[in-house]
Amino acid sequence: NAGVTQTPKFQVLKTGQSMTLQCAQDMNHEYMSWYRQDPGMGLRLIHYSVGAGITDQGEVPNGYNVSRSTTEDFPLRLLSAAPSQTSVYFCASSRGQGGYGYTFGSGTRLTVV
Amino acid sequence: GNSVTQMEGPVTLSEEAFLTINCTYTATGYPSLFWYVQYPGEGLQLLLKATKADDKGSNKGFEATYRKETTSFHLEKGSVQVSDSAVYFCALIRLRSGGSNYKLTFGKGTLLTVNP
Repeated sequence: NAGVTQTPKFQVLKTGQSMTLQCAQDMNHEYMSWYRQDPGMGLRLIHYSVGAGITDQGEVPNGYNVSRSTTEDFPLRLLSAAPSQTSVYFCASSRGQGGYGYTFGSGTRLTVV
Repeated sequence: GNSVTQMEGPVTLSEEAFLTINCTYTATGYPSLFWYVQYPGEGLQLLLKATKADDKGSNKGFEATYRKETTSFHLEKGSVQVSDSAVYFCALIRLRSGGSNYKLTFGKGTLLTVNP
């Protein structure tokens, strides 16, 4: 099993550019989430999904869009990149409710200049 | 709302020393509790979990017991190795009917460095 696959691993964007961070899982998990990790801030939830066609906002959703057209994929779109979005982004998935842990991807390190 | 507080780092230990990383939480009801580990340059890996009071999660020599009376889930290991050097995150999910059941709330992480 590949688990949770994120691409790209590294990306540099100019302010104002848009891009999509890809996330795919092959475990048939219902739940998927996007987090950003910043020094001293821990991990903060951007958006999450509880199934295909269902998404909701987390703590820090501004400037990001998501959609979930299939169980496997959960892309994160940056609409107009800003330096404040420089971060490490993690996608995670889980097969059920709280008793099951989340499986994380290896992350995308994004720099906005 | 839900919150997790874990001890500030960094924590520096010698090999074979005893490790404790404190974690306390705030949540109504009965959350599930987790410890995740992040090795340098990698994503987070689930280290252990506990889903109800008095449960003990264990893995790779690490242990943590779900203490509802003290709202704590402290991580312990009797003898650390250099390979345990990583960032450790305490986290919880609280289940409730309707609303945002699926958010994993993290502490800010504790950096552990183990010297030979």
